[in-house]
Amino acid sequence: DSGVTQTPKHLITATGQRVTLRCSPRSGDLSVYWYQQSLDQGLQFLIQYYNGEERAKGNILERFSAQQFPDLHSELNLSSLELGDSALYFCASSVNTDTRYSGYTFGSGTRLTVV
Amino acid sequence: GENVEQHPSTLSVQEGDSAVIKCTYSDSASNYFPWYKQELGKGPQLIIDIRSNVGEKKDQRIAVTLNKTAKHFSLHITETQPEDSAVYFCAASKGNNLFFGTGTRLTVIP
Repeated sequence: DSGVTQTPKHLITATGQRVTLRCSPRSGDLSVYWYQQSLDQGLQFLIQYYNGEERAKGNILERFSAQQFPDLHSELNLSSLELGDSALYFCASSVNTDTRYSGYTFGSGTRLTVV
Repeated sequence: GENVEQHPSTLSVQEGDSAVIKCTYSDSASNYFPWYKQELGKGPQLIIDIRSNVGEKKDQRIAVTLNKTAKHFSLHITETQPEDSAVYFCAASKGNNLFFGTGTRLTVIP
């Protein structure tokens, strides 16, 4: 157990629907990062939050949004889902925003299947 | 932003042999290079990292080398074991976010 909790583990939904993925960071970590991993693809950075504020954006679609709550858990909202959104979505956390000194701890991911 | 390339995409070795995975990066300001191992059904796990003020780092059977001039770094696994079979990702950072390579699927044949 890495200490980063992601729910649900699996999600199957239809095209056009909206889903919410949840992440609880490791205790003491203030930064949360979201990554998308499609089949045979690497880890694509989506978005980062630090202590409730958005810090960086990667290749995140406009149909996707995220937030980090006062208790530091984060949610990734995916709307108007398309077949191509099927992927593993990982959350990672770190103590601060400088990855050199605290590194990342990943959760086990949420596997989203859009049918 | 940073662009990290990783080779090979797949690698098969006999148990006991060595495995080498290579990565190149584009941003000369990057100064932190971690390696992650992802086993089936799990999230990536940090196995070793190196900072730019060091050329080589070793942890038991795993070592990483860094050539800042050429902007490439490599993961070396010696005396491979079946439990080393996994997908390995390299990454580069200059302090903000990690940029990952596309992964190498390592298979250790018993």
